[in-house]
Amino acid sequence: DGGITQSPKYLFRKEGQNVTLSCEQNLNHDAMYWYRQDPGQGLRLIYYSQIVNDFQKGDIAEGYSVSREKKESFPLTVTSAQKNPTAFYLCASSINGNQNEQFFGPGTRLTVL
Amino acid sequence: KQEVTQIPAALSVPEGENLVLNCSFTDSAIYNLQWFRQDPGKGLTSLLLIQSSQREQTSGRLNASLDKSSGRSTLYIAASQPGDSATYLCAVGNGNKLVFGAGTILRVKS
Repeated sequence: DGGITQSPKYLFRKEGQNVTLSCEQNLNHDAMYWYRQDPGQGLRLIYYSQIVNDFQKGDIAEGYSVSREKKESFPLTVTSAQKNPTAFYLCASSINGNQNEQFFGPGTRLTVL
Repeated sequence: KQEVTQIPAALSVPEGENLVLNCSFTDSAIYNLQWFRQDPGKGLTSLLLIQSSQREQTSGRLNASLDKSSGRSTLYIAASQPGDSATYLCAVGNGNKLVFGAGTILRVKS
C-alpha cells in the first residue's frame, strides 16, 4: 500500500519548544516538500529536497529546519524561532523535482499553547 | 513573482448542476498546472495535471482546461453531487515549485 504518511496527526507545543514533524513515503520518489497552510489561504512552500542529503529553502523557511538522510524520510523541525507556528503542515513528494505531479500526505495540525 | 487567484472564493449549488471554477495566474511561463481537492482537516488529493503543452485534461466528470497565454485555467464539474463538496485548489508549477491559490469552497446541496 504505497503512499505518504505523516505523524502525528495533531501536535501541541509550548512556547519555546522545538518539535519535529515526521513525513515518510514508500513511493520511491526522489523529491519531497513541506508546505504550511493557514486558514483561508493557499499552501506556502517551507523547504524542498530533490535528492538525498540535499535540500533548499522555500518561500517561508525562517524558523524551520529539515534533513534528508534517507530517500523515504523528510522530517521538519519547527524551532522556537518560528514566531507563529500554529498551522496545518503538509508533506508532499514527486517522482523527481522537474515538473512532476505532487502527491500529498494527510497533514499534521500543530497548535502552540 | 507568480500569483495565483481563484474565483469565486465560495460557491453553493444544487445537486445536479454543472459548474465552473476559475484559476488565474500572473506569469504565463509555467511548466504545468495541477488541480487538487481538499476535504476539511485532510491532505490534498490530486485531481488533474495539465502540462504546459496541453490544452485540457479529463477524468470522469471533471474537465480542466489551460490557456497559458491568458493565464487562466478552469475546472468544469459535470452533474455535481453532494460528495463533491470540498475545497478545490489550483497550483501552477514553476520548475520544481508549486504556487497555490487560496482555493474555492464548494458546497453541493442535496
